[in-house]
Amino acid sequence: SQTIHQWPATLVQPVGSPLSLECTVEGTSNPNLYWYRQAAGRGLQLLFYSVGIGQISSEVPQNLSASRPQDRQFILSSKKLLLSDSGFYLCAWERTAISYNEQFFGPGTRLTVL
Amino acid sequence: GQNIDQPTEMTATEGAIVQINCTYQTSGFNGLFWYQQHAGEAPTFLSYNVLDGLEEKGRFSSFLSRSKGYSYLLLKELQMKDSASYLCAVLDSNYQLIWGAGTKLIIKP
Repeated sequence: SQTIHQWPATLVQPVGSPLSLECTVEGTSNPNLYWYRQAAGRGLQLLFYSVGIGQISSEVPQNLSASRPQDRQFILSSKKLLLSDSGFYLCAWERTAISYNEQFFGPGTRLTVL
Repeated sequence: GQNIDQPTEMTATEGAIVQINCTYQTSGFNGLFWYQQHAGEAPTFLSYNVLDGLEEKGRFSSFLSRSKGYSYLLLKELQMKDSASYLCAVLDSNYQLIWGAGTKLIIKP
């Protein structure tokens, strides 16, 4: 079976500090991977998606970046965090089926920037 | 632009029925998803509709009308554990998921 891991679960960082969030998937190969951010009481905002190693598409211009150094590893980074970067960060992998593509989410990382 | 509208919050009573509506305007349509998200947790898949009509899955049903750009999620025999946010998402012509802000459902005893 497939599983998706994210860490850390929670993080409190000062403004201007760097960030690195990691996501790994097990039990599947060459998945489409996604990074979302969810502000309190809001919907999901797509940040980045990747269809393969080294292939990153950015949806929203910001001070965040993403990398996919291995097939099942997706990393979200920042060199200098802003207050507005606070939120719930979710990684997801996508299963391609005959009729539709379903996304499965990791447990999320709650980031607070102070 | 692309837009998905859902009520922000709804309240219902345990054992009752509730309908959560979703309207959308997107560039193309390749299906509509409903996800459930408990507070502080990740969303989990509930349903997928791509053709008009009603899809039933246990206590949950989802309806789609493509001509009206409208869907609803129907929850029957409500239980306290159904208290959660319900997210509507549409797959657009580029196969990108466009997410609604979610509807927070509060169940009262």
